[in-house]
Amino acid sequence: LAKTTQPISMDSYEGQEVNITCSHNNIATNDYITWYQQFPSQGPRFIIQGYKTKVTNEVASLFIPADRKSSTLSLPRVSLSDTAVYYCLVSPAPTGGYNKLIFGAGTRLAVHP
Amino acid sequence: GAGVSQTPSNKVTEKGKYVELRCDPISGHTALYWYRQSLGQGPEFLIYFQGTGAADDSGLPNDRFFAVRPEGSVSTLKIQRTERGDSAVYLCASSLIGRSGNEQFFGPGTRLTVL
Repeated sequence: LAKTTQPISMDSYEGQEVNITCSHNNIATNDYITWYQQFPSQGPRFIIQGYKTKVTNEVASLFIPADRKSSTLSLPRVSLSDTAVYYCLVSPAPTGGYNKLIFGAGTRLAVHP
Repeated sequence: GAGVSQTPSNKVTEKGKYVELRCDPISGHTALYWYRQSLGQGPEFLIYFQGTGAADDSGLPNDRFFAVRPEGSVSTLKIQRTERGDSAVYLCASSLIGRSGNEQFFGPGTRLTVL
């Protein structure tokens, strides 16, 4: 499985856009990029997933360049409630219906007033 | 709707004791996963169930750990002869088999402390 590298921590302020970049130089052709969010004392929560170019949902956008060796999670206009740990995962689409997720240490985002 | 629930939320035990951790997945989800999360780290895969059978138990650290899912819904993670190093948050997740993507729905976890 491809290894991912992301910043250990980031700081931002309310109302700003936050971009968290993840490096995955050894990504395989059939790998997808998935981001999860985790608040203290809760389990991780799926945010977004993509394969190439750009994916957007009601929570975030995911930008993936053509070489797919990195990806950027973009959170528009963050609020205090976006303070959490964000995990970048690279793994194949589920085969046989499942996929064990491999988490790194994640990026701790702190949003300040 | 109801999400994944886990009981107890906290469990304190003594070294050498036996513990059981319970997971109630989202109704209709046939895939169930257990993960373990140590402080400051991301979750680590333990075992996966497809229906009643353990399809992948490659993440279980040793034979003191065992999990069952007898009726294909509720699952129990069992730890024998607990050690201090077993202290962690144990997370359960479920998902729909056949659904594209890697979206798993996690419960809040059980925090296990072995004294």
